[in-house]
Amino acid sequence: AQRVTQPEKLLSVFKGAPVELKCNYSYSGSPELFWYVQYSRQRLQLLLRHISRESIKGFTADLNKGETSFHLKKPFAQEEDSAMYYCALSGNNQGGKLIFGQGTELSVKP
Amino acid sequence: GAVVSQHPSRVICKSGTSVKIECRSLDFQATTMFWYRQFPKQSLMLMATSNEGSKATYEQGVEKDKFLINHASLTLSTLTVTSAHPEDSSFYICSARGLDRGPGYTFGSGTRLTVV
Repeated sequence: AQRVTQPEKLLSVFKGAPVELKCNYSYSGSPELFWYVQYSRQRLQLLLRHISRESIKGFTADLNKGETSFHLKKPFAQEEDSAMYYCALSGNNQGGKLIFGQGTELSVKP
Repeated sequence: GAVVSQHPSRVICKSGTSVKIECRSLDFQATTMFWYRQFPKQSLMLMATSNEGSKATYEQGVEKDKFLINHASLTLSTLTVTSAHPEDSSFYICSARGLDRGPGYTFGSGTRLTVV
C-alpha cells in the first residue's frame, strides 16, 4: 500500500542553520513525489516536484529510490520559512490521487 | 497560474442540516477533483476523487451517502455534507487537476465547517 511518512512533527532551528525535513515513502511502482508548504492561514502551495529537479526558495529535494526517501533540505533557514511542510506522493496506478504525509511544522527562531 | 476558488470559506450549521461546498477552477479545465479533510494540526486525509461526468470514487471508510460529491462540469465540483453532525466539523479542502495544466495539483483555500 502507498504510504508517506514524515517522522518529525515539529522541527525547530535557529535562523541561518541548515534544515532537513525527512520524508520516506512506500509505493510499489514509480511514484511522483512532491513537497507542499502551508504558511499560516494560507492555502497549500506546491514547493517542489521531484521531476522538476529545481530549487525553490533555496529548498532542494532529491529522490533516493534506494532509501525510498525524498528529504527536503535548505542550507540556511530563514524566519519566513516557518510553516507546515507536507510531503506527498502520486502514482500511476492510483488514479492520480495525491497522498500526504503527516506534515512537519518548521519553526525558525531569530 | 492555475487558480481554484473554494466557497464558502467558513460555515456554521445546525446538526441535522446539509451543507454544500463548491470548488471551481477559474482558468483551467479540472478533469479530476479531489476532496480532503484536515483535522487541526494533522495531515490532509483524502476523502474522494471525482472525474468530470462520472461517479466519485470514495476512500475506504468514507460514507458516500453522507458526503455527496458532484462533478457535473469541467470547472465545478461540489461536496455536500448531508445530515451534518458535530463530528463532521472539520476543514475541507478541494484540489483540482487538469490535463492542460500538466500533472500539477491546485488547491482551494479550504472550508471551515462547524456543526452546532
